Amino acid sequence: GENVEQHPSTLSVQEGDSAVIKCTYSDSASNYFPWYKQELGKRPQLIIDIRSNVGEKKDQRIAVTLNKTAKHFSLHITETQPEDSAVYFCAASPPGGSQGNLIFGKGTKLSVKP
Amino acid sequence: DGGITQSPKYLFRKEGQNVTLSCEQNLNHDAMYWYRQDPGQGLRLIYYSQIVNDFQKGDIAEGYSVSREKKESFPLTVTSAQKNPTAFYLCASSAGTGGSYGYTFGSGTRLTVV
Repeated sequence: GENVEQHPSTLSVQEGDSAVIKCTYSDSASNYFPWYKQELGKRPQLIIDIRSNVGEKKDQRIAVTLNKTAKHFSLHITETQPEDSAVYFCAASPPGGSQGNLIFGKGTKLSVKP
Repeated sequence: DGGITQSPKYLFRKEGQNVTLSCEQNLNHDAMYWYRQDPGQGLRLIYYSQIVNDFQKGDIAEGYSVSREKKESFPLTVTSAQKNPTAFYLCASSAGTGGSYGYTFGSGTRLTVV
């Protein structure tokens, strides 16, 4: 089945710097890759997603890139702010739904220092 | 509350007791999921249901049970067989399975054994 690896597990940056989180997946048939942000004690919320027919997607300070050949996708946050501090989860969606719909990485705890 | 409601927010269980966590959605989503979240462990799938009256075990189903009698509802019972139930439990729903369907999460239930 699909397996998603996420790195790093923790990331600390200065306010204004960029942050990059990388995920790799194993099932080349996976076709949907969302990213979720979870603030402390809160629910995960979708921040951006990308489908397998697209290489890059941007939304203001957030971007996601997908390399299907290498089977990895990355979240890029520019001009980080303290409110970006949270745990970020990547996920991949294998076809068929036999493992549930989304397979999640273990998460990256991002800390943005003012 | 984002269309998916979990209750209660906090729950305390005595040793040997069964407890039931509620999850209700008004999004008309076909699929529903239960995840357990422990610190540093990410999201682990307990059970999922793709259609009414059908559900599948996830990675850590032992000591848990579910039912899906209505499309809107997917309650989770934590039985006395679950030896370490203290965790944050998240319910989620999606419009379908097999790709391109993101999740909407509930706000979670924090279960503590006393």
